[in-house]
Amino acid sequence: DVKVTQSSRYLVKRTGEKVFLECVQDMDHENMFWYRQDPGLGLRLIYFSYDVKMKEKGDIPEGYSVSREKKERFSLILESASTNQTSMYLCASRRQGVRDYGYTFGSGTRLTVV
Amino acid sequence: QQQVKQSPQSLIVQKGGIPIINCAYENTAFDYFPWYQQFPGKGPALLIAIRPDVSEKKEGRFTISFNKSAKQFSLHIMDSQPGDSATYFCAAAAGGSYIPTFGRGTSLIVHP
Repeated sequence: DVKVTQSSRYLVKRTGEKVFLECVQDMDHENMFWYRQDPGLGLRLIYFSYDVKMKEKGDIPEGYSVSREKKERFSLILESASTNQTSMYLCASRRQGVRDYGYTFGSGTRLTVV
Repeated sequence: QQQVKQSPQSLIVQKGGIPIINCAYENTAFDYFPWYQQFPGKGPALLIAIRPDVSEKKEGRFTISFNKSAKQFSLHIMDSQPGDSATYFCAAAAGGSYIPTFGRGTSLIVHP
């Protein structure tokens, strides 16, 4: 069964900490994405990557950065966590150029910043 | 500015009812319209998708209706079941990147 795995289901961090959210996919997908999900706001794109070493800003990149050193792994980094970054974070992957297949999402990481 | 407007925000129906979720868009470049279903504690999963060259697409009990001139599309769930209780997201994507813009989601509860 193909999978997108997010390393933590729940995470509690302190304001100002540097936070790493890890995502690994086993489908050999080129494209990977990070979204945050907030009640009433839906899914908002933070960053995405078309392939290894590549990254593009999404709609809400402020306060975040990403790293994609290997094809299967896409990391989201909160340089200095703040309380307004408390959210559900979803990673997704997709095969390049195959729009009909849609995304495969991970189960999410619920991050609380205190 | 919301590029994809989804309504209602929440919906409660009885088992066997036909919940309808509506979405509207402005960008005429959108040409791919997927729907995602999300159960509690899980990530969204692709449910069904449509392109604007057809007005309707069915997969099992799920039907997408598409009105290109009105720039609207909707999801109908026939003979709804308690197991359909989930959050549903519509989305729209345009050629090139095909990165979808999501609606804000509809929380559906189907009572037994």
